[in-house]
Amino acid sequence: ETGVTQTPRHLVMGMTNKKSLKCEQHLGHNAMYWYKQSAKKPLELMFVYSLEERVENNSVPSRFSPECPNSSHLFLHLHTLQPEDSALYLCASSQAEGESGANVLTFGAGSRLTVL
Amino acid sequence: GQNIDQPTEMTATEGAIVQINCTYQTSGFNGLFWYQQHAGEAPTFLSYNVLDGLEEKGRFSSFLSRSKGYSYLLLKELQMKDSASYLCAVRDGDYKLSFGAGTTVTVRA
Repeated sequence: ETGVTQTPRHLVMGMTNKKSLKCEQHLGHNAMYWYKQSAKKPLELMFVYSLEERVENNSVPSRFSPECPNSSHLFLHLHTLQPEDSALYLCASSQAEGESGANVLTFGAGSRLTVL
Repeated sequence: GQNIDQPTEMTATEGAIVQINCTYQTSGFNGLFWYQQHAGEAPTFLSYNVLDGLEEKGRFSSFLSRSKGYSYLLLKELQMKDSASYLCAVRDGDYKLSFGAGTTVTVRA
């Protein structure tokens, strides 16, 4: 496996379900990200982890709960979601080297979430 | 807050040139990125500008003017496979990358 892998690619869940999205990066990067992509809207940054520590939390509702057990894996735990949470959830990783570095993000293909 | 504007859609003919403009007003600036995203696929990195001027990479070029808060992505010798969404993004700080809504480019034969 290479790059950034996300599973599942598609997920349909009810508002009372609990599910998790998984992301794995095989690039040796030190930072991982969750973004939300809704139709015709800009990508929204949700969470950033650097060296397994959360460094950004963009006012995301508590029904989304991230977990970063090590530098290669990132999870997004979902519970009691709303229909407006239906979107494409993109994971990304980068080699962060401070403000002077380019810090280019490599994205996964995304998990398409539908909340009924 | 962050404000990044780019046109919603553009159409061009195969072999032609298209220029996608991006204007931004952000609280900080540590570089401007362009990404390409085909439908149903991951965004992929195209270019990075942190200093004023033009960066050329094959058929794609990107320009930045920090004083004007302006960038453009130039796509030359358009091919059908260039039909995609092009995302302008500005980095503020170490990690935060703010995106525009994307420009959907359609290449016609």
